[in-house]
Amino acid sequence: DTAVSQTPKYLVTQMGNDKSIKCEQNLGHDTMYWYKQDSKKFLKIMFSYNNKELIINETVPNRFSPKSPDKAHLNLHINSLELGDSAVYFCASSRQGINYGYTFGSGTRLTVV
Amino acid sequence: DAKTTQPNSMESNEEEPVHLPCNHSTISGTDYIHWYRQLPSQGPEYVIHGLTSNVNNRMASLAIAEDRKSSTLILHRATLRDAAVYYCILRASNTGNQFYFGTGTSLTVIP
Repeated sequence: DTAVSQTPKYLVTQMGNDKSIKCEQNLGHDTMYWYKQDSKKFLKIMFSYNNKELIINETVPNRFSPKSPDKAHLNLHINSLELGDSAVYFCASSRQGINYGYTFGSGTRLTVV
Repeated sequence: DAKTTQPNSMESNEEEPVHLPCNHSTISGTDYIHWYRQLPSQGPEYVIHGLTSNVNNRMASLAIAEDRKSSTLILHRATLRDAAVYYCILRASNTGNQFYFGTGTSLTVIP
């Protein structure tokens, strides 16, 4: 069983479109995250979310919005896609508390053309 | 966010030990030291973490300096499958428990 699964694995879309990436974890973790890895391979936190709190990295454009229907899911919606949004997006989850590690998904490669 | 400093790249011969250093001079008393690695075309993978004492698991060992301003990830026998980018990260309660990744160390394993 995959612990953190993301769909789709690849996504190619045109500028201006709206798209969603789904993430599900079956680990019973409290907190989920989205990271963006750009072409220079730098991993940047976008959001962290648990049932109490959404923390948004201030540099993330408001075209990006996380939506969590329940504790096991955190989807990423992106409106009005731009060329610069092309990247690999990773979902992760963890238990709450700094003594716990993250489990990452295998990533979604988004290409905006 | 608490900062870490790692060499950009390192090389190791296969089946030899590898010591990957990390400096974190601004670490605070409650920050945990985590290590992750990212193999090509995969998501980051947990390796090991610790607070003050040295830690061992099936993947690696973590040696933490007495003043906690540096740590070393030790791979006891490097294999070709260990070629990856290794990230040393501080997990701090004052950053919303988030991980802030640096640039990491790209490890090349030479057959």
